[in-house]
Amino acid sequence: DGGITQSPKYLFRKEGQNVTLSCEQNLNHDAMYWYRQDPGQGLRLIYYSQIVNDFQKGDIAEGYSVSREKKESFPLTVTSAQKNPTAFYLCASGQWANSPLHFGNGTRLTVT
Amino acid sequence: QQPVQSPQAVILREGEDAVINCSSSKALYSVHWYRQKHGEAPVFLMILLKGGEQKGHEKISASFNEKKQQSSLYLTASQLSYSGTYFCGTEHGSSNTGKLIFGQGTTLQVKP
Repeated sequence: DGGITQSPKYLFRKEGQNVTLSCEQNLNHDAMYWYRQDPGQGLRLIYYSQIVNDFQKGDIAEGYSVSREKKESFPLTVTSAQKNPTAFYLCASGQWANSPLHFGNGTRLTVT
Repeated sequence: QQPVQSPQAVILREGEDAVINCSSSKALYSVHWYRQKHGEAPVFLMILLKGGEQKGHEKISASFNEKKQQSSLYLTASQLSYSGTYFCGTEHGSSNTGKLIFGQGTTLQVKP
């Protein structure tokens, strides 16, 4: 079955460490997105990519970085510059605009 | 820029109806609706496009008022499975990026 896979489901890190969250899709979608979800704040866009080797900042890109070397993969790195990294991170993919987003099951990151 | 959803929370008995609203301060190109159950990925419900086109599940209905920059999701004869948090995601302007800005969510609880 086609889908979008995020790993790991839970991630724990010490403050000051960079951490990379994985996102892989086999839906052959061109566009991929990273959202951050905090209680009561909905989903906020971190980065998005519409094509391989190109990506754009979302509303809260500071302290994060991404790469899009392959169509299937869109990893997110949470750097030590991110002041409040503990959150639930959701990756999504879609076939450009006017089509549904397909979400992964998320990675819950806890930084202490 | 984030769309505003109302109400923030609603409690229903099985069989009752509910309406969830989504308002934007900017001109809308499209509105997406998703439902998320606790700890799970958001699931696509519907897309409403400028011009009247709709894509989504047959049992879900929604409206899109371009002039008022609003959308409403109608849940009729609610079932226990309707419980969850509903998010609207809005796309603005004429650019076809697929970039969505999500509201803060509306929590729906359906009781037996």
